[in-house]
Amino acid sequence: DIVMTQSPLSLPVTPGEPASISCRSSQSLLYSNGNNYLHWYMQKPGQSPQVLIYLGSNRASGVPDRFSGSGSGSDFTLRISRVEAEDVAIYFCMQALETPWTFGQGTKVEIK
Amino acid sequence: QVQIVQSGAEVKKPGASVQVSCKTSGYSFSSYGMHWVRQAPGQRHEWMGWIHAGFGNTRYAEKFHDRLTITRDTTARTAYMELGSLRSEDTAVYYCATNYHDSLGYNDYWGQGTLVTVSS
Repeated sequence: DIVMTQSPLSLPVTPGEPASISCRSSQSLLYSNGNNYLHWYMQKPGQSPQVLIYLGSNRASGVPDRFSGSGSGSDFTLRISRVEAEDVAIYFCMQALETPWTFGQGTKVEIK
Repeated sequence: QVQIVQSGAEVKKPGASVQVSCKTSGYSFSSYGMHWVRQAPGQRHEWMGWIHAGFGNTRYAEKFHDRLTITRDTTARTAYMELGSLRSEDTAVYYCATNYHDSLGYNDYWGQGTLVTVSS
């Protein structure tokens, strides 16, 4: 199975400041069609996951443009350009290149 | 709009089985797959298995292979996950999830989650 490793696991941020989360996979998520099968999710307490970024760098519909994703192969980054109070949540990456889907441990973003 | 509604919380004794349902509306159910994912307390999410809602073929994670059954009812637009021989470590929130591309772009939908508690 592909192992997903996120860092940091906890991220205190001042409102208005940027935040960055790293996700690394044990093997490349780049498929022959040129897509990286790596998605980023946000999950708030008591809610189901909500996709933010799909295929490595594509912002999902309705997601604010302060969220962006980058990377290719086995090294990916989620960035929040200016953190807002409503961004407090757990963020995790997920590989969808093959089953079993596998997930990062999650990064808890909190306001300082 | 797309809706995925799961059945309610369950409390089961060790050794019992549980079935969770996932009723859908608002998209072409039989055209896509449905995954089942769980999250135990303090753990990362864990993929359990998948069914193609139209063809009915399934794929299971190796660790669940002998006690997991995923089915679907295309008329009812509902997918089902049954996990047997429950143990305390199966206490988790169980989700169904589908993602696919169509003419409108990328779609990714999860049910609201179902808490399954295994306790004697």
